[in-house]
Amino acid sequence: QKEVEQNSGPLSVPEGAIASLNCTYSDRGSQSFFWYRQYSGKSPELIMFIYSNGDKEDGRFTAQLNKASQYVSLLIRDSQPSDSATYLCAARYQTGANNLFFGTGTRLTVIP
Amino acid sequence: DVKVTQSSRYLVKRTGEKVFLECVQDMDHENMFWYRQDPGLGLRLIYFSYDVKMKEKGDIPEGYSVSREKKERFSLILESASTNQTSMYLCASSRQGIYSGNTIYFGEGSWLTVV
Repeated sequence: QKEVEQNSGPLSVPEGAIASLNCTYSDRGSQSFFWYRQYSGKSPELIMFIYSNGDKEDGRFTAQLNKASQYVSLLIRDSQPSDSATYLCAARYQTGANNLFFGTGTRLTVIP
Repeated sequence: DVKVTQSSRYLVKRTGEKVFLECVQDMDHENMFWYRQDPGLGLRLIYFSYDVKMKEKGDIPEGYSVSREKKERFSLILESASTNQTSMYLCASSRQGIYSGNTIYFGEGSWLTVV
């Protein structure tokens, strides 16, 4: 069973702080990892992906991957109220057309 | 930009009605998916298709069927709607291939209420 686990939250941070969202995955065959943001009542939208160990930065967002620990995280620097959303982590496996598995999401609230 | 369009955003149907949810993508993607999303349960895959006229069951196919007659169009059918099918339905598409950034792109969602 390929599982992706996230703390459901809610996670609350003050405006301007760093929000840290975490995700673990069960199958070492996972190749790439994706973070989606989903505003209430809207569909998920892709923020960024990572496939190599280490950090990948995109603006205020940094994805971190540690394959040995089977751990992925998303850091949001200088958090804004507009970052308040649910963040979904997904892991892609090598084979098959249906090879993307989602966590249940972490709800983030940024307090002004 | 990838565009996945779900034609019906908000629907209210009666128990026992047949319901069609339509989805069109404009990026020539081979794969298409239907998910439903419920509070606390996350995304659950209903069906997916990797080619025209091909379909595979996902995690929760019971009570649903799908149709893919053209590459760009994937329809979800509720043969006899029931109240436990009240949910948000998300269509998605992706390319085939295992390159690192390959992922799925979602439509805007269809909110279905069955009364």
